[in-house]
Amino acid sequence: KAGVTQTPRYLIKTRGQQVTLSCSPISGHRSVSWYQQTPGQGLQFLFEYFSETQRNKGNFPGRFSGRQFSNSRSEMNVSTLELGDSALYLCASRSTGTEAFFGQGTRLTVV
Amino acid sequence: QQQVKQSPQSLIVQKGGISIINCAYENTAFDYFPWYQQFPGKGPALLIAIRPDVSEKKEGRFTISFNKSAKQFSLHIMDSQPGDSATYFCAASMFVGDMRFGAGTRLTVKP
Repeated sequence: KAGVTQTPRYLIKTRGQQVTLSCSPISGHRSVSWYQQTPGQGLQFLFEYFSETQRNKGNFPGRFSGRQFSNSRSEMNVSTLELGDSALYLCASRSTGTEAFFGQGTRLTVV
Repeated sequence: QQQVKQSPQSLIVQKGGISIINCAYENTAFDYFPWYQQFPGKGPALLIAIRPDVSEKKEGRFTISFNKSAKQFSLHIMDSQPGDSATYFCAASMFVGDMRFGAGTRLTVKP
């Protein structure tokens, strides 16, 4: 069974640009959560999608948005990038239980 | 909004020793407490998790101790091995897709 796949693995963007990250959950998993990981703030919850609906949202500005498709794949978008958005973005997929499986993340660098 | 406090930040243990990492939480509505292990360049991987109706859970060399009245829980790694060297995160959640993480503990097990 394939794990959680995040693409791309690495990304370099310029301030002010926007970026879209992709997450393909484990087959059969309908929940996808997104997290931002930085050395200073640690792992912070962005949002969770379940069956194409945002179910929960963390404390991030509106520049961070996401969506989920009917096949459970999810995308995260960050608009008007700032230097502080440089981070490892992780997605986690979950079935109906509590165990969340993380992908390897997308390393975003904003210059 | 640090809802989960983790200590120590770093820990050095000799091979065969016991590694102990502690976490404290504030929100009594949390009902799921997982521990994750993360190696460099990888996403976090679930080690072990506990619900507040249980005071201890053991899986192999890993044990969670949970003190509901003190709002604290800890991870014990018995017979620590160099391969256990990684960063460990505790987390807590009341909505399963939304986990609040501790700041992480970098464990080094010396041979």
